[in-house]
Amino acid sequence: KQEVTQIPAALSVPEGENLVLNCSFTDSAIYNLQWFRQDPGKGLTSLLLIQSSQREQTSGRLNASLDKSSGRSTLYIAASQPGDSATYLCAVRSISGGYNKLIFGAGTRLAVHP
Amino acid sequence: IAGITQAPTSQILAAGRRMTLRCTQDMRHNAMYWYRQDLGLGLRLIHYSNTAGTTGKGEVPDGYSVSRANTDDFPLTLASAVPSQTSVYFCASSDGPLTEAFFGQGTRLTVV
Repeated sequence: KQEVTQIPAALSVPEGENLVLNCSFTDSAIYNLQWFRQDPGKGLTSLLLIQSSQREQTSGRLNASLDKSSGRSTLYIAASQPGDSATYLCAVRSISGGYNKLIFGAGTRLAVHP
Repeated sequence: IAGITQAPTSQILAAGRRMTLRCTQDMRHNAMYWYRQDLGLGLRLIHYSNTAGTTGKGEVPDGYSVSRANTDDFPLTLASAVPSQTSVYFCASSDGPLTEAFFGQGTRLTVV
């Protein structure tokens, strides 16, 4: 059964720091991995999608990498800003679990203080 | 671009009542999904539809039903609500399994 873990559960950093959020999954047989952002009381906003054949994706200050063989993905946020404060979720589409289902991690709650 | 619209945004419902959560997307995506989000349990798939006219069960389908009469709409019905169905419900869509999934803003449902 595919399981997704995100470490750390919470992170507090001063503005301007570069930071890394980690996501690991137990079954490397995935279609893709997607990173989301969720603000309190809001829906999920898609940040980046990495296909299983890709190694990384970039969007602005965000860079996501994927090492499928080791079951790991990282989300790198450069020059963090207070507006980056949110919960970040990773999710995988697992071949064994069926492509219909995104399997989510519990998220990393990020606070960037001025 | 509206994306995915869910209604209502929040609702307090008496146990035993029937309730339909509405979801409409304007992206012409083939696949649509319903998730519930609960503290400590994360996001779990309730039902999905790969294309209009077809539906399937997710991880936690009991007590819920869905229909997919057309591409744009994917309503979720609670036939007889129970307090354990208190949750935040998210509708999502994607063009297919290898494409990006997009989520609505959610419906906060409280069953009392």
